Amino acid sequence: EVQLVESGGGLVQPGGSLRLSCAASGFTFSSYSMNWVRQAPGKGLEWVSYISSSSSTIYYADSVKGRFTISRDNAKNSLYLQMNSLRAEDTAVYYCARAILYGPHDYWGQGTLVTVSS
Amino acid sequence: QSVLTQPPSASGTPGQRVTISCSGSSSNIGSNTVNWYQQLPGTAPKLLIYSNNQRPSGVPDRFSGSKSGTSASLAISGLQSEDEADYYCAAWDDSLNAYWVFGGGTKLTVL
Repeated sequence: EVQLVESGGGLVQPGGSLRLSCAASGFTFSSYSMNWVRQAPGKGLEWVSYISSSSSTIYYADSVKGRFTISRDNAKNSLYLQMNSLRAEDTAVYYCARAILYGPHDYWGQGTLVTVSS
Repeated sequence: QSVLTQPPSASGTPGQRVTISCSGSSSNIGSNTVNWYQQLPGTAPKLLIYSNNQRPSGVPDRFSGSKSGTSASLAISGLQSEDEADYYCAAWDDSLNAYWVFGGGTKLTVL
């Protein structure tokens, strides 16, 4: 059974940093590209970042480019999102989701809440 | 403002058929396949339809998808109370720096 479990969320002040993690199991993690998708409270879904299986290709949404860094450790079956210079508008539940390039996000984690507030 | 346009709400009574629309442009729906997600209250999104009209294993055949030009639709037949959820459409966008785009979501209420 495919499982994605996010962690690392919490309350952070504007301008601060946070690192999210996503632990994957139930599939060959090193063979799949991964994504982060977020959802602000009461709002819709917003794609944040993509990383290919070998980390050779990385994309970011314009809203986070230059502030967020996606990475992965295939030996640890883990996906990460380093978030710097956080803003109030980054407040959201962050989901890790499996998706090949151009394809559907076929499995999602339960999400981790990031709150940016003073 | 979402790139894909969905009605904010839809409703139906048990047993009815309801449809949810999703409108895009030539750079997303017009040139790429559409996926639909179901988000039950307080849970993570779940893939419901992919590649316009394909159902993942375990999704009832009451759910169906279609696409025409720059628009897509999700149809739910034999509506059940457990179908009450938010539904999102999504597609790859060929515009510069766009990648995946989502609709704003449609809240389906079963009356």
